[in-house]
Amino acid sequence: GENVEQHPSTLSVQEGDSAVIKCTYSDSASNYFPWYKQELGKRPQLIIDIRSNVGEKKDQRIAVTLNKTAKHFSLHITETQPEDSAVYFCAATSTASKLTFGTGTRLQVTL
Amino acid sequence: NAGVTQTPKFQVLKTGQSMTLQCAQDMNHEYMSWYRQDPGMGLRLIHYSVGAGITDQGEVPNGYNVSRSTTEDFPLRLLSAAPSQTSVYFCASGAGTNQPQHFGDGTRLSIL
Repeated sequence: GENVEQHPSTLSVQEGDSAVIKCTYSDSASNYFPWYKQELGKRPQLIIDIRSNVGEKKDQRIAVTLNKTAKHFSLHITETQPEDSAVYFCAATSTASKLTFGTGTRLQVTL
Repeated sequence: NAGVTQTPKFQVLKTGQSMTLQCAQDMNHEYMSWYRQDPGMGLRLIHYSVGAGITDQGEVPNGYNVSRSTTEDFPLRLLSAAPSQTSVYFCASGAGTNQPQHFGDGTRLSIL
């Protein structure tokens, strides 16, 4: 089945700096790659997603890139703010209709 | 529009007890799934359903049963609770697997 690895597990940046979280996946047939943000004690919420026919997608300060050949995708957050502090999860969908999540990255934005 | 509703929010069980976690969605989504979330292990798929009457196993199905008699409801049953099942359980729904998944608020379950 699909295996998704996510790095780093924790990330601390200063306010205004950029943050990058990287994920790799194993199933070359995976075609949908969402990113979720989870604040403490809350539900995961989708922040951006990308499909396999697109190499990059941006939404204001958030962008995701996908390299299908290398089977990795990354989340980029620019101009980080304290409210960006949360746990971020990447995920990938295989042909078996299963959404597999990475183990999460705890992002801390310090003042 | 309530989205995905999970009940109860908190539950404490004794080892060996059974219970059902409820999940309902009002978005007419075909795809529904259950995850458990444990520290450092992310979200692990327990069971999922691609439509009424169809269910399948995820990554960690042992000790859990599901059914999908209607599009709206997808209950998760713990057959005989064990301390290893102490976790936070999330239900999610989406128009399909490769569509945004909407999560419920979760059920925090403790097994003593």
